[in-house]
Amino acid sequence: GESVGLHLPTLSVQEGDNSIINCAYSNSASDYFIWYKQESGKGPQFIIDIRSNMDKRQGQRVTVLLNKTVKHLSLQIAATQPGDSAVYFCAENPSFGTYKYIFGTGTRLKVLA
Amino acid sequence: DGGITQSPKYLFRKEGQNVTLSCEQNLNHDAMYWYRQDPGQGLRLIYYSQIVNDFQKGDIAEGYSVSREKKESFPLTVTSAQKNPTAFYLCASSMTVNTEAFFGQGTRLTVV
Repeated sequence: GESVGLHLPTLSVQEGDNSIINCAYSNSASDYFIWYKQESGKGPQFIIDIRSNMDKRQGQRVTVLLNKTVKHLSLQIAATQPGDSAVYFCAENPSFGTYKYIFGTGTRLKVLA
Repeated sequence: DGGITQSPKYLFRKEGQNVTLSCEQNLNHDAMYWYRQDPGQGLRLIYYSQIVNDFQKGDIAEGYSVSREKKESFPLTVTSAQKNPTAFYLCASSMTVNTEAFFGQGTRLTVV
């Protein structure tokens, strides 16, 4: 199987509980942020994004919170399901007009039955 | 179906050989990217292209080359100069700046 994700921080959550995955970003000038989900052996899948003029955005079962004061991003997953088990990582766009994204190392989410 | 396709999924290369990884998108995206993913590390940018016939080096371009002759295609060549090529390679595309990047399913390259 895919070896990506070895030695990553792991969050274990009981099925049905809510999950909170955190990300500290590096650049105070970053104006766009994305959360991705990556299953073993697959490419990252877009979950939700948020721009710096917002502090909260909701999707289906997911919420992203942005705290620009402390450069912190979080992903909340409601009613976590076994299919949510994956590596989650955040990405930031460090300056307006650039095509370059900076990706975090990721957190492994394990859903316990 | 619109999407981004990488091929092959698995690739084996002998030391000293060049190898080319394919990436095609039919999303009509202007920007395309190549990233390398190693265990326990975030994605690292190899090359990116904002528009046809133009591309820029990323953070780890040494030992790699790319071309962007068509909007849909952004192949990556891993040359023999790349000292540690075994990795998972991901191609992505985006419409423009500050929009989500869509990823392919990746190519796992192993040097034998």
